[in-house]
Amino acid sequence: YVLTQSSSVSVAPGKTARITCGGDNIGNKNVHWYQQKPGQAPVLVIFFDTDRPSGIPERFSGSNSGNTATLTISRVEAGDEADYYCQVWGSSSDHWVFGGGTRLTVL
Amino acid sequence: EVKLVESGGRLVQPGGSLRLSCAASGFTFSDHYMDWVRQAPGKGLEWVGRSRNKANSYITEYAASVKGRFTISREDSTTSLYLEMNSLKTEDTAVYFCAREGAAAGDFGYWGQGTLVTVSS
Repeated sequence: YVLTQSSSVSVAPGKTARITCGGDNIGNKNVHWYQQKPGQAPVLVIFFDTDRPSGIPERFSGSNSGNTATLTISRVEAGDEADYYCQVWGSSSDHWVFGGGTRLTVL
Repeated sequence: EVKLVESGGRLVQPGGSLRLSCAASGFTFSDHYMDWVRQAPGKGLEWVGRSRNKANSYITEYAASVKGRFTISREDSTTSLYLEMNSLKTEDTAVYFCAREGAAAGDFGYWGQGTLVTVSS
C-alpha cells in the first residue's frame, strides 16, 4: 500500500495549511498524522482520522474520505514549521505504512 | 510518565551485526504492541517491524526490507524491547526509534529519542 504526500507546502502566518495524503480508498482506513521537527522524534498530532491527543492545539484537525486524507492547520504559527507524515495500516501487506512526508514552511 | 529510551547505536561495518535496546517505563509494557521505526539521514520515516503483546502471543512482523535479517524481541519482566540486526548494509544507516502502539487506535503515541546506526567501512 502506497501513501502519497506532496513534498512541500508553504503558508503565511495566520493562514490555513492543508497537507494531503493520497492512497487507494484511504477513506476506509484509519489515518494517523505526525509532526517532526529537526533533530526530534515524531509527535502524534491526529489519530483515527480526526482525533487530537491531549496537548495538541485545536488548530490541528483531520479529515479522511475517498482517496485522500487531509491534515488542516488553522491560524498557522511559526512553531508549526516541521515535517508532517501520514500513516496507515496496510492490511493486505500486514505492515505499517508512512507517507513520504510534507515539509511545512511558514513564510 | 511514559518514557522510551533507545541505546546501542554505533558505527558498524557492512555485513556486521548490532543489537539495539529500548528501555520502557511509565506504562504496562506487556499490554502494548511495540514498534521500531527508522529514518535514514535526510529521509522520511520507515517502519521496521513490531512485536505484538503477550495477549497476541508476541507475534513479530517485519518490513520486507529487513525481513530475514532483523529480529525483534521483548522482555516484559524488564520492560525492554530489542532489535537484533544482522547482515547490515549501508542502506540500513539511520536513526532507529522505538515507539509504543496505542491499544485502541494503533497510533504511535509515544516515541523514544532515537539511536543512530551507521553502517560504513
